[in-house]
Order: sequence, then C-alpha cells, then structure tokens
Amino acid sequence: DGGITQSPKYLFRKEGQNVTLSCEQNLNHDAMYWYRQDPGQGLRLIYYSQIVNDFQKGDIAEGYSVSREKKESFPLTVTSAQKNPTAFYLCASSRATPQGRYGYTFGSGTRLTVV
Amino acid sequence: QKEVEQDPGPLSVPEGAIVSLNCTYSNSAFQYFMWYRQYSRKGPELLMYTYSSGNKEDGRFTAQVDKSSKYISLFIRDSQPSDSATYLCAMSARTGGFKTIFGAGTRLFVKA
Repeated sequence: DGGITQSPKYLFRKEGQNVTLSCEQNLNHDAMYWYRQDPGQGLRLIYYSQIVNDFQKGDIAEGYSVSREKKESFPLTVTSAQKNPTAFYLCASSRATPQGRYGYTFGSGTRLTVV
Repeated sequence: QKEVEQDPGPLSVPEGAIVSLNCTYSNSAFQYFMWYRQYSRKGPELLMYTYSSGNKEDGRFTAQVDKSSKYISLFIRDSQPSDSATYLCAMSARTGGFKTIFGAGTRLFVKA
C-alpha cells in the first residue's frame, strides 16, 4: 500500500542537541511538507518542497532545516536553535502543487520531547 | 483574530446521533475546503474535499459550505464510537498560492 512513513514514532532530545526526523513516501507525489502540531493550535507549516533539490520556508522555519535529495524522502532536522521543540511533527505529501490544493496525505507523526 | 476558528470541544454525543461540526473563517478568498479526521497519536486523514459553495455527501458524512456566511460544516449521521476523533477543518485560496490554513480541531466523543 502507498503511504507516508515517519520515524521514529517517539523521539527525545537533550538540550543543545540536533535531531533528525525521517519521512519517506511511496505515493510518487512531487510535493512534501512538514507541519508542527501543538495543543489548541492549527497545524503550522515549517517547510515544504515542490520538487527535488528545492524547498521553501513555511511560517515557522526558524530552528529547523530540511533537505530533498530524493523524491521519496524529506527529512527534517530540529536544531538546537529551536527553543521550544516539544511538539507533534507531521509529514505530508500531495499530488498537486502548490501546497496541497486537493488535500494532503499525512504520515503518522513523530512526537518529539525535550528532556 | 485567527483566519479559521473552530470550537475545540470536546463534543460528546450518544451513538446514533447526528453530529454537526463547524468552522468559521475570515478570508473571503477561500474556495477550497477540507475536513480531516485525526485519531489520537495519528496523522490526519482527508475525509471530505469541497470546492466553493454547496453540499457534498459521502456515505454518512456531508460537508456544507456557506461562503456568504463564511461558515463550513461537517455532518455525521448515525454516529458510531469509531467516529470518536479530532476533526480538523482546512481551507485555501488561489490568491494565497493555495496556502492551507488549518483549524485547531474539534474533539468528538461518541458514546456507545
């Protein structure tokens, strides 16, 4: 079955540490996205990529970095510059660009906690 | 004021009830409207997609858009305990480059 795989499901980060969240899709979608979900808030866009080797900042890109070396993969690095990284991170993809005009397919998410 | 407002709930209903979930928005340019269902500790899944105004029905689910009132609704008929989840509305506009704005979600509990 086609879908999006995010790993790990749970991740713990120490202060000052960089961590990388994995996102892989086999839907043959060109566009991929990273969202952050916090209680009581709508999903907020961190980064998105419409094509390999190209990506754009979303609304809350500070303290995050991404790469898009393969169509199937869009990893997110949460750097030590991100002061409040505890959140649920969602990776998504869409068949249309820009920005999921017809809706997104989401992964199951990664819960990141600072310890 | 947020661009998209959604009552967080929780909304608790008995099994078999008709559920009404709603969102209001401020940007009159929105023309693409979506509803997502999100189970606990899972990613959202696209439930309904509607373009512009009107109704769309899919099984027990009906999505309704009233652009004049800037109000969208999702109705669930014959609700089941398996419908217990958080429901997110989302919308976008061509003029905004189709940037999708999400509501914060309404948590629904359907009691057996």
